Amino acid sequence: AQSVTQLGSHVSVSEGALVLLRCNYSSSVPPYLFWYVQYPNQGLQLLLKYTSAATLVKGINGFEAEFKKSETSFHLTKPSAHMSDAAEYFCAVRKGGSEKLVFGKGTKLTVNP
Amino acid sequence: DAGVIQSPRHEVTEMGQEVTLRCKPISGHDYLFWYRQTMMRGLELLIYFNNNVPIDDSGMPEDRFSAKMPNASFSTLKIQPSEPRDSAVYFCASSPGTNFYEQYFGPGTRLTVT
Repeated sequence: AQSVTQLGSHVSVSEGALVLLRCNYSSSVPPYLFWYVQYPNQGLQLLLKYTSAATLVKGINGFEAEFKKSETSFHLTKPSAHMSDAAEYFCAVRKGGSEKLVFGKGTKLTVNP
Repeated sequence: DAGVIQSPRHEVTEMGQEVTLRCKPISGHDYLFWYRQTMMRGLELLIYFNNNVPIDDSGMPEDRFSAKMPNASFSTLKIQPSEPRDSAVYFCASSPGTNFYEQYFGPGTRLTVT
């Protein structure tokens, strides 16, 4: 069965510092992986996706993620945090061959001035 | 485009009452998903539709929950009777047929059952 584990429910960084949000996946088939972002009191928004093309995926707002099969990881990074990046971030994996996504528990990112 | 529209944004009701949540997907999207988000369980898929037809309702917690999609521009999620444990934020999302994983979420309905 497909699942994702997000390491760290809360991450705090200083403005301008590197952002690293961790996600490990479990999948019996080549995975489709995604990162979504949820700003306060809003719905989720697709940040980026991996669908078996390039292993380094670039998304919106300067975020990127690297698919590492050997480590079963899909960590999200951004070189320099901005105050506007404060939000909750969800990693997700496609469930089997269906149209269903399985979401992780989320990581809340705080950016300190 | 107006995005996914959900109503009401907030609902407070008493245990035992019927609750109906509404969703208008983005025009032209073939898929519609209903999710529930709680602190304890995170984001859970309840049911999803393709071209107005329910495809998978295995996430619906029990018979008290039902969902319909009478046409391409409207869906409802009904809880009858409601219970305090149903308190959560309910999201509707839609996606185009070619890229079902590019789900566009509505702002959610925060349901409180007292």
